[in-house]
Amino acid sequence: AAGVIQSPRHLIKEKRETATLKCYPIPRHDTVYWYQQGPGQDPQFLISFYEKMQSDKGSIPDRFSAQQFSDYHSELNMSSLELGDSALYFCASSETGPLTEAFFGQGTRLTVV
Amino acid sequence: GQQLNQSPQSMFIQEGEDVSMNCTSSSIFNTWLWYKQEPGEGPVLLIALYKAGELTSNGRLTAQFGITRKDSFLNISASIPSDVGIYFCAGQEGTGGTSYGKLTFGQGTILTVHP
Repeated sequence: AAGVIQSPRHLIKEKRETATLKCYPIPRHDTVYWYQQGPGQDPQFLISFYEKMQSDKGSIPDRFSAQQFSDYHSELNMSSLELGDSALYFCASSETGPLTEAFFGQGTRLTVV
Repeated sequence: GQQLNQSPQSMFIQEGEDVSMNCTSSSIFNTWLWYKQEPGEGPVLLIALYKAGELTSNGRLTAQFGITRKDSFLNISASIPSDVGIYFCAGQEGTGGTSYGKLTFGQGTILTVHP
């Protein structure tokens, strides 16, 4: 079965650079979520999109932005990177509805040096 | 925001033993999910619970949605070495609109299984 695809799997950036992470949801899933997981931490919700509109917002820094495109893939744009942004970034997708489950991608490991 | 308290933080067990972990919350969740995560990988959904009091099994895994909707437990029976990983509980508010997938995670339980 198709899963959530994230790219790239690994990314190394320098401080103050920008990074773009991509997420391709499971086919027919219309909702995408982004999570950030620091070392030894649990995933923290950043932002979500439904039908290309932002649907919910968590602890996402102002330096980060995201969008969902017409083909439902999503991109997380991160600017002015800081050392503390080093983390695993996960995308999850789901269908909208009361009994839906979020399925996670394999994540992008971002290292800021 | 809502927080989930997951315990224990870590477990070291012998192969064949049973394992139990739980999560509690001060707030109500409409859905509880249990995920397993291996190093450098994304969380993999193990069990989803939708109704208070619901008891669901998936192979050697059994999970229950607490009757108060503020807690859940996960049991693993007859553990095997491949059960090693970090287990997360997650609560989903799902009260309407498009917030169904927004999850609040517990701190995780690190499981080590000795052969």
